[in-house]
Amino acid sequence: DTGVSQDPRHKITKRGQNVTFRCDPISEHNRLYWYRQTLGQGPEFLTYFQNEAQLEKSRLLSDRFSAERPKGSFSTLEIQRTEQGDSAMYLCASSIGLAGELHIQYFGAGTRLSVL
Amino acid sequence: AQKVTQAQTEISVVEKEDVTLDCVYETRDTTYYLFWYKQPPSGELVFLIRRNSFDEQNEISGRYSWNFQKSTSSFNFTITASQVVDSAVYFCALNTGGTSYGKLTFGQGTILTVHP
Repeated sequence: DTGVSQDPRHKITKRGQNVTFRCDPISEHNRLYWYRQTLGQGPEFLTYFQNEAQLEKSRLLSDRFSAERPKGSFSTLEIQRTEQGDSAMYLCASSIGLAGELHIQYFGAGTRLSVL
Repeated sequence: AQKVTQAQTEISVVEKEDVTLDCVYETRDTTYYLFWYKQPPSGELVFLIRRNSFDEQNEISGRYSWNFQKSTSSFNFTITASQVVDSAVYFCALNTGGTSYGKLTFGQGTILTVHP
């Protein structure tokens, strides 16, 4: 099995531009998560999908952020009208809903966003 | 609300020393799961260990061991005979399960540097 894949690895954009990140989870993992990590901090939960359903969203996910998982496989995270405060590492994770492996989230390498 | 505190910001040791990373958590839930993740310079969070709230048995896995004490809400992690490759940021995380299997709450991380 390949791990969680995120694309791009790095993104530099100008303030006000829209950006989109993609996450491909481990195959057959039905749960997918997005986190944001700023320098020197632990990851902070943004949102979570079970199959194609978005089940939980953090208050951190302002209306400029939208996440989708249209076919229950890959997911996209879009940030509209980026602000400098959006500069961070965006991490994706996936997990499988089997009892033995429940709750273990496997992470990708992240997309580092820099907003100039 | 859930909270995870890692009081040690940075730890520096010499190779072959044992090192213990501290983690204290807060939750009102009776069912929860505790994790340790490692984040090397590449950025990908690597799952290390998981412990559920029902089982306070402490275990050893290779050079890793952990000490889970519900009475003090602590979940400490020890690396025996540290190696240079252990240098990374280590995160303790909490998942309270229940109807929400999504959200991991992370501590701020402990930077471990192992010198040759």
